[in-house]
Amino acid sequence: KAGVTQTPRYLIKTRGQQVTLSCSPISGHRSVSWYQQTPGQGLQFLFEYFSETQRNKGNFPGRFSGRQFSNSRSEMNVSTLELGDSALYLCASSYTPGGPNYEQYFGPGTRLTVT
Amino acid sequence: GENVEQHPSTLSVQEGDSAVIKCTYSDSASNYFPWYKQELGKRPQLIIDIRSNVGEKKDQRIAVTLNKTAKHFSLHITETQPEDSAVYFCAATRNSGNTPLVFGKGTRLSVIA
Repeated sequence: KAGVTQTPRYLIKTRGQQVTLSCSPISGHRSVSWYQQTPGQGLQFLFEYFSETQRNKGNFPGRFSGRQFSNSRSEMNVSTLELGDSALYLCASSYTPGGPNYEQYFGPGTRLTVT
Repeated sequence: GENVEQHPSTLSVQEGDSAVIKCTYSDSASNYFPWYKQELGKRPQLIIDIRSNVGEKKDQRIAVTLNKTAKHFSLHITETQPEDSAVYFCAATRNSGNTPLVFGKGTRLSVIA
């Protein structure tokens, strides 16, 4: 099976702009989670989608939003970019959001730089 | 909500020695504890996980132990090799489908040849 893929891999944006990142889960996986990774804060949970519904949301401002499509692909959007949004954005997929066989697999990430 | 503390933040060992990374969690209802390895510039990779119905799990040179009473779990790597050098993350969740994975801040392991 192909792994989790993310596009684009690298992005450079200017403060105030908006950005959309895309994530394609492993075939058959219906749950997608998004994380922000920064050197000082580790992996911080943004949100999780399952069957096109947001199930969980982390402690991030409303500028961060996401959605999931019927084919389980997910996008996240950051509006009005700030310098502090510079980070590696990782998505991870699992077959379901939980359960006895729950395992989560990460994509390669999108490196966002805000100047 | 869940809070996961991970120690140490950095760890250096000689090749061939063992390495131990420890995590504590706050939510007594958490029952799934994965470990991820992230090499420089790469994605985090799931290397081993443990569920609350067992106390220990091994996979070749790596093992994880879980103490539910004390709410802590540990990763043990034996006979370390230079390719074990990476950042390791622990995580915990209730695995109910309604709570996300919560990660520790990571441990940078350096194996010195």
